Amino acid sequence: SQQGEEDPQALSIQEGENATMNCSYKTSINNLQWYRQNSGRGLVHLILIRSNEREKHSGRLRVTLDTSKKSSSLLITASRAADTASYFCATPNSGGSNYKLTFGKGTLLTVNP
Amino acid sequence: DARVTQTPRHKVTEMGQEVTMRCQPILGHNTVFWYRQTMMQGLELLAYFRNRAPLDDSGMPKDRFSAEMPDATLATLKIQPSEPRDSAVYFCASGFTVSGGRTYNEQFFGPGTRLTVL
Repeated sequence: SQQGEEDPQALSIQEGENATMNCSYKTSINNLQWYRQNSGRGLVHLILIRSNEREKHSGRLRVTLDTSKKSSSLLITASRAADTASYFCATPNSGGSNYKLTFGKGTLLTVNP
Repeated sequence: DARVTQTPRHKVTEMGQEVTMRCQPILGHNTVFWYRQTMMQGLELLAYFRNRAPLDDSGMPKDRFSAEMPDATLATLKIQPSEPRDSAVYFCASGFTVSGGRTYNEQFFGPGTRLTVL
């Protein structure tokens, strides 16, 4: 079953607005990662947040993690048309080795110029 | 600029034919993953290798799929015979993982192979 689930499935905003995407997961984790996928391309790692961190920033990205609620959010501030992509959260496999990541189905973000 | 490369980028074949996809991981990475992405199922992990040894191929249909890593610079995914339901984008990703303890491995994805089986 899916470990991480993003919400909403699709989001359309105007350039300059902020975009917030959420991720919920089922089992305890030691880190959570966010990836971006532009149409027709492979996924690109954006940011990793560890279980002992509540918030992390990278440029216009802000990620929060609430382990008590088993949820994370990705905020993109001052969005640009180039931010149009699908965004995925990924969590390490809950059992056994920690080398695998399970990806959600993603949020499709459209930023209109 | 280190990148994961995949060949071919596109493949159209007929049902029953053999398909081989190739991946060159980033030099120095010791872990290689194969994923399949479809609209319906999203991104699914098929198999992965660490230090060229297969660690998990539970996501892969065993009767027709096989994955190998003949050397550290090449990973292959083969489908024989191919079926229309195999049509998808297949991604290879690589990363560096440390044994023991809990790792925080970022994965680097290739551009994918878009497979269409008619």
